[in-house]
Amino acid sequence: GEDVEQSLFLSVREGDSSVINCTYTDSSSTYLYWYKQEPGAGLQLLTYIFSNMDMKQDQRLTVLLNKKDKHLSLRIADTQTGDSAIYFCAERGGNTGKLIFGQGTTLQVKP
Amino acid sequence: AAGVIQSPRHLIKEKRETATLKCYPIPRHDTVYWYQQGPGQDPQFLISFYEKMQSDKGSIPDRFSAQQFSDYHSELNMSSLELGDSALYFCASSYKIETGGIPPYFGPGTRLTVT
Repeated sequence: GEDVEQSLFLSVREGDSSVINCTYTDSSSTYLYWYKQEPGAGLQLLTYIFSNMDMKQDQRLTVLLNKKDKHLSLRIADTQTGDSAIYFCAERGGNTGKLIFGQGTTLQVKP
Repeated sequence: AAGVIQSPRHLIKEKRETATLKCYPIPRHDTVYWYQQGPGQDPQFLISFYEKMQSDKGSIPDRFSAQQFSDYHSELNMSSLELGDSALYFCASSYKIETGGIPPYFGPGTRLTVT
């Protein structure tokens, strides 16, 4: 079945790198996504990776995909206080393209 | 750039009332998804439409129904509201799912409070 797991909380110091991890179960997933949600706000698409890629870099964000282990990670370089939010990974597969979300990782950035 | 529009942004209803949430997808997007996010929860898929036909169904209660219209906007109708229906309701749109396509973009959400 479809299931996406994330650790629930991560705390880092400003300027450090943050690594948020995610595991998924659906091997047919075609795309994997990272969304950011600030308190009371909507879901902001950060980046996504196609399942035949190992890595994707976009400015301060690096996504690593280990398809064999069904493990996805999001690295945020030089983390800033404005990066404090909940980060959701999501897998997308099947014919209809619905997203299945993980529980979300709350990132706390301390000054 | 145009984004997904949802209305209303906030809605307060009493138990047993009905509510209608509206979603206007990004122009040329042909697929609409509805999600429900309870407090402290991850978004849960409710239902989706592709080219005005229901394409997938998730954990949507029988009290809820939805449709997509000829102009591709979608409405989520909720009846016999319960306290547990209080949540953020997100609509997302995308284009050409069958080709892998553009990632779904989410609207700002409608916050429904049932008292």
